Amino acid sequence: QSALTQPASVSGSPGQSITISCTGTSSDVGGYNSVSWYQQHPGKAPKLMIYDVSKRPSGVSNRFSGSKSGNTASLTISGLQAADEADYYCDSYTSSTTLVFGGGTKLTVL
Amino acid sequence: EVQLVESGGGSAQPGRSLRLSCAASGFTFDDYAMHWVRQAPGKGLEWVSGISWDSDSTGYADSVKGRFSISRDNAKNSLYLQMNSLRAEDTALYYCAKGVYYDLGSGFASWGQGTLVTVSS
Repeated sequence: QSALTQPASVSGSPGQSITISCTGTSSDVGGYNSVSWYQQHPGKAPKLMIYDVSKRPSGVSNRFSGSKSGNTASLTISGLQAADEADYYCDSYTSSTTLVFGGGTKLTVL
Repeated sequence: EVQLVESGGGSAQPGRSLRLSCAASGFTFDDYAMHWVRQAPGKGLEWVSGISWDSDSTGYADSVKGRFSISRDNAKNSLYLQMNSLRAEDTALYYCAKGVYYDLGSGFASWGQGTLVTVSS
């Protein structure tokens, strides 16, 4: 159950777009369309932003979008806002009937 | 509105046991898988365990397999985590999370506020 690989940090200016990658293997990210993304602000519980690779829960801004190519999933945030500054985590279902998270990415809005 | 309220956390010595509970409301509990996810202080998220809507399927992280046991009582809208043989590395905030679907195969749609478990001698 190795953690998925995410960049430790990304940054962008207000209004710009950023992309966070999440790399796994054919036994997790590449093998299933079961990748989710979460936003976590300091001291708060995580919030689901994307599920099943690219689906947005009700109430989540359409500035957030997800995609996948091979063993790498991506979260794109467009029209960056100060409120988007947070930690972002991906997760995936695995062939071992488990779930595994990425190490997390700290997004800084400059 | 979905509400998940965890309880049962606290301090324990290494080797001892704790039982966490999660009271769910605001949704049809037995339509969804449920999970426990933990976060050590200053660290990232770690999936601990999950259970399908009907308890037929369960899963555990390697780090807790054989020591922790997940269960649910659909009549009481409650989720549990029995934690035995606790170790210092189990120290974390434990979140109860509602699955996206009825099975284990997807992510976590809603989260509680967490209950803190501290394992120390």
